[in-house]
Order: sequence, then structure tokens, then C-alpha cells
Amino acid sequence: DTGVSQNPRHKITKRGQNVTFRCDPISEHNRLYWYRQTLGQGPEFLTYFQNEAQLEKSRLLSDRFSAERPKGSFSTLEIQRTEQGDSAMYLCASRQPGQGKTEAFFGQGTRLTVV
Amino acid sequence: QKEVEQDPGPLSVPEGAIVSLNCTYSNSAFQYFMWYRQYSRKGPELLMYTYSSGNKEDGRFTAQVDKSSKYISLFIRDSQPSDSATYLCAMILSYNTDKLIFGTGTRLQVFP
Repeated sequence: DTGVSQNPRHKITKRGQNVTFRCDPISEHNRLYWYRQTLGQGPEFLTYFQNEAQLEKSRLLSDRFSAERPKGSFSTLEIQRTEQGDSAMYLCASRQPGQGKTEAFFGQGTRLTVV
Repeated sequence: QKEVEQDPGPLSVPEGAIVSLNCTYSNSAFQYFMWYRQYSRKGPELLMYTYSSGNKEDGRFTAQVDKSSKYISLFIRDSQPSDSATYLCAMILSYNTDKLIFGTGTRLQVFP
């Protein structure tokens, strides 16, 4: 499979617990993005990486959120001390170097439910 | 006011109809305009993109950008039940940023 892969697909957690999501981008895509989508809304930008460098973070990304891409390949998004408001679909996307700004490919997302 | 406004619908049309989906935006600096299709519980997939003002056609899909009115449209001809999905418009600023700004999405249902 050559698409963007996200794991797990679904996660149910109790409020206050920590969760970690993983994204495997398309091979050789140097840019990787995280978005959050709540019901009835479009995706909202959280952060993005070029290789291992985190270049931009949204103010939506509170101190409880941290993202890493240690070797410039897969990325993880961790949420500490989850709150019910964190319930959402977390989407990852990647882009191939050399293409225009538009060609970002999305994964299937990780749906988080905080109970 | 949101940067990108999109009617959430739902929009329900019969098979074969021409569908018109629209977004307005407030920031005149947006240069790249995209339409994504998102099926239920799936990630968005890119349908069309245009750079600046103009039209672009791809099969049954036509994307239009009118920068003077800050208005973009997606037209779907000969709509099919398989087109039933949420359609998201998205935009990128022209300078120093790579993040997509999405509309809320319009839910489309095409019935046989």
C-alpha cells in the first residue's frame, strides 16, 4: 500500500489518560501534516514537518499536544491528560517534494473518543 | 467571521443533475484553491485544484475561481449516487505557509 497510513483507526480513552497516534507518510514525501476534524467541520491545521524539523504549529496545539518526526519518516502525535474536547478525527497528510503546494494526500484518520 | 465560508447543506439532488458547490473567503492573499471529497469516516481526497482566477475542467468536474468576488465553485455534471459525500473547499496563502485552510464542507446526497 503506497498511501498515507494512520494507526490506530479508532481510539477510546478515559479522560485524563495519554494517547499516541502514528502516521506513516507516503515514501519519500518530506512534508508531513497533522490536522484535526470535529463533526460537521472541516479539518483544522495543527502542525507540519519538513523531514524531522517541525516548521509550524497552530495555537490549537496546546501544551498537552506534542508531535514528533524523529527520523524524518513516520510521525507521532501525543495528547496528554486528554479532555472530552479532544474527541475528534486526527488526520495526517504528506506531500512529495517538487510538486506544487496543492498535492497533499491524506490518510484515513484516527478517530479519538474521550469518555 | 471564518476565513472560508461554506454552506454545510445537506444538498440533495436526483441522479443526473448538475451540482453547484460554493465557498467564499475573506483573505484576498489566498492563491491556491482546492476541492476535496470526503466519504463518511474516510480521509479527504483531492479532486481539483486551481491557481489564482480561472476555470479548470476534469471529466465531470469543473472548478472556478473568481478572485475579484472571493468566490470559488465546483460544478459536478451528470451527478451519480457515488458522488454522495462531503465536499470541502480548501485554500493556501501565497506566502511562507503550507497549511490548508478548509471550509466546513457541504454534504451532498445524490439519489437514484
